[in-house]
Amino acid sequence: DTEVTQTPKHLVMGMTNKKSLKCEQHMGHRAMYWYKQKAKKPPELMFVYSYEKLSINESVPSRFSPECPNSSLLNLHLHALQPEDSALYLCASSVYRGQDQPQHFGDGTRLSIL
Amino acid sequence: QQPVQSPQAVILREGEDAVINCSSSKALYSVHWYRQKHGEAPVFLMILLKGGEQKGHEKISASFNEKKQQSSLYLTASQLSYSGTYFCGTGTYNQGGKLIFGQGTELSVKP
Repeated sequence: DTEVTQTPKHLVMGMTNKKSLKCEQHMGHRAMYWYKQKAKKPPELMFVYSYEKLSINESVPSRFSPECPNSSLLNLHLHALQPEDSALYLCASSVYRGQDQPQHFGDGTRLSIL
Repeated sequence: QQPVQSPQAVILREGEDAVINCSSSKALYSVHWYRQKHGEAPVFLMILLKGGEQKGHEKISASFNEKKQQSSLYLTASQLSYSGTYFCGTGTYNQGGKLIFGQGTELSVKP
């Protein structure tokens, strides 16, 4: 079991739907991350939050909208996704945002776009 | 720039040793190593920092050659549980928290 909890584990949605992915950690970490991972590929960074503020956006399309309501919770709002957005979405956290900080990953949400 | 891992895949018998390499064309501040089993989260193994010591515990260790911008992960006396895909993640200066992962090395340990 990981200490970063992601829900739901699986999500199937149509291209016109709106849905949200949720990530929670109770380790007191102040940095949280969203990654996208395609099959047999490495995780690709999407967003980084530090102290609930968006620090890095890797030029992600606006159909993905992150939100960090508090230090324990990270959401990813999805709207009008494309079939190529089907992937495993991983959340991670670290004590703070820094190159010397291990990142702890959740099990991910497997997203399928019909 | 994505770091390059080698080999892409390796098959071992239990008890054999393996080395996985990670090279970058950029000046690195840190190298992180993760293992991901199929359908599971990547699990942090260790982190090496510029100017830091070689890390590791009994059977899994790693080194960081700052001059060559290369890191190597050493797995000794492999166990079945070592099977999975190993990723290095590299961090450069002034990119706080941003890791770029190599393409991965698939390791299979057979009985």
